[in-house]
Amino acid sequence: EPEVTQTPSHQVTQMGQEVILRCVPISNHLYFYWYRQILGQKVEFLVSFYNNEISEKSEIFDDQFSVERPDGSNFTLKIRSTKLEDSAMYFCASRWGAGLSGANVLTFGAGSRLTVL
Amino acid sequence: DQQVKQNSPSLSVQEGRISILNCDYTNSMFDYFLWYKKYPAEGPTFLISISSIKDKNEDGRFTVFLNKSAKHLSLHIVPSQPGDSAVYFCAANTLWNTGNQFYFGTGTSLTVIP
Repeated sequence: EPEVTQTPSHQVTQMGQEVILRCVPISNHLYFYWYRQILGQKVEFLVSFYNNEISEKSEIFDDQFSVERPDGSNFTLKIRSTKLEDSAMYFCASRWGAGLSGANVLTFGAGSRLTVL
Repeated sequence: DQQVKQNSPSLSVQEGRISILNCDYTNSMFDYFLWYKKYPAEGPTFLISISSIKDKNEDGRFTVFLNKSAKHLSLHIVPSQPGDSAVYFCAANTLWNTGNQFYFGTGTSLTVIP
């Protein structure tokens, strides 16, 4: 079964450092998302991406965050200068389409755990 | 603004009995609802969904019920099995709004006791 793959599975970084989290969405999917979950808390939306541009972003997704789809297969989340409160599990997700209920299911990756020290 | 709410953070059920997980939403524009299951240190996995044109959708042991007038949905698992022990999230979005986010509830941790 097709899956969303994320790397690294765990990254430890110092506060203020840049981090890039990588995702390979399912190949025929058109919509891409980043969510995160701080330990024990809810799953929070960060950003959605379609047709090579951001469709929607949350208040969390400030100037320190950026996304890119550099080569048609990878989808990356960059945090320019990490803060302690960025420590969380980051989930990439993708879906095939919209408007038809069968296409409107988000498939998630296993997550990248980011620890900021 | 929490548009999707799961008011029960945890639920314990005996094996073989029915598990009922509840979810409420506030945005009447939502027309598609999903349930996800999540194990620790894994990503959420899709379980079952329902569009607003239906009031029930069934898939094996899992049934989702939608009450649009009450803005309420529920997930029934019967019979419950120990392997069902996980955190369950409900989610909602609007089918025709391309690229929009899925709104997630805070999750209900289900424990099925053997």
